[in-house]
Amino acid sequence: NAGVTQTPKFQVLKTGQSMTLQCAQDMNHNSMYWYRQDPGMGLRLIYYSASEGTTDKGEVPNGYNVSRLNKREFSLRLESAAPSQTSVYFCASSENPPPGVIPYNSPLHFGNGTRLTVT
Amino acid sequence: GNSVTQMEGPVTLSEEAFLTINCTYTATGYPSLFWYVQYPGEGLQLLLKATKADDKGSNKGFEATYRKETTSFHLEKGSVQVSDSAVYFCALSGVFGGATNKLIFGTGTLLAVQP
Repeated sequence: NAGVTQTPKFQVLKTGQSMTLQCAQDMNHNSMYWYRQDPGMGLRLIYYSASEGTTDKGEVPNGYNVSRLNKREFSLRLESAAPSQTSVYFCASSENPPPGVIPYNSPLHFGNGTRLTVT
Repeated sequence: GNSVTQMEGPVTLSEEAFLTINCTYTATGYPSLFWYVQYPGEGLQLLLKATKADDKGSNKGFEATYRKETTSFHLEKGSVQVSDSAVYFCALSGVFGGATNKLIFGTGTLLAVQP
C-alpha cells in the first residue's frame, strides 16, 4: 500500500529555473494539500484541492501554481525559483466529510517530502 | 487569528523518563486538536486526536487531554523509549468549515531520547 508518493526526493535549482513537484495518492481521497516545512515555522499550507478540478490558495501561495490532474494526482509548480523557496515540501491527502458533517476530522496522510534547495 | 503555540525544543530525555510537550491554542469556535509525529526522513503521521472538550486522545502510550478552560492540549508519555525520538507537531482544525480538513500546525518540538 503506497499511500502518498512524492517525487523527486531531492532537487537543487538555480534561481529562475522552473520545476514541478509530483504527488500521487492511491487511497481514493478527495482532498489533497501542499505544505512547506521550514525551521522554526512548522508546516504552512501552500495550496489545497477539495476535489478533482478545484484548487484554492492556502497561507503562502505566492510563487507557486498547482494542478489537480485527476483524483490521484496533485502537482506543485515553481515557475521561477527563488532562494526563499528553499524548503521541504510535503504533499498530503484526506477524506472529505460526509454531507453535513462539519467540522470533519479525518487524518491527513503525508508523503515523505521533497527537499528543495534554490541557489 | 487561529494559532498553535508549542514549547520550543529540543527536548532531551533519558530512556524511561516522563515526557511532557506543551501545546496551547487560540481559535474561534470549537476546533479539533491533533498531535502528529515526524520520524527522521519521513512525512508526518497522526499520533492522536481529540474532537471536543475533556476528550482524551491516546496512542502508543502517548496521551493528551483537550482542556478548553486553559486552551491546552499537552502531550504526555509516562516512559519514553529511544524509538520515540522524533519531531512532534500540535495542530488544530475544524474552525474553517467547508469540505477540506485544513490544519494549522505548531512549529514542532524535537524530542531526543538517549539510552
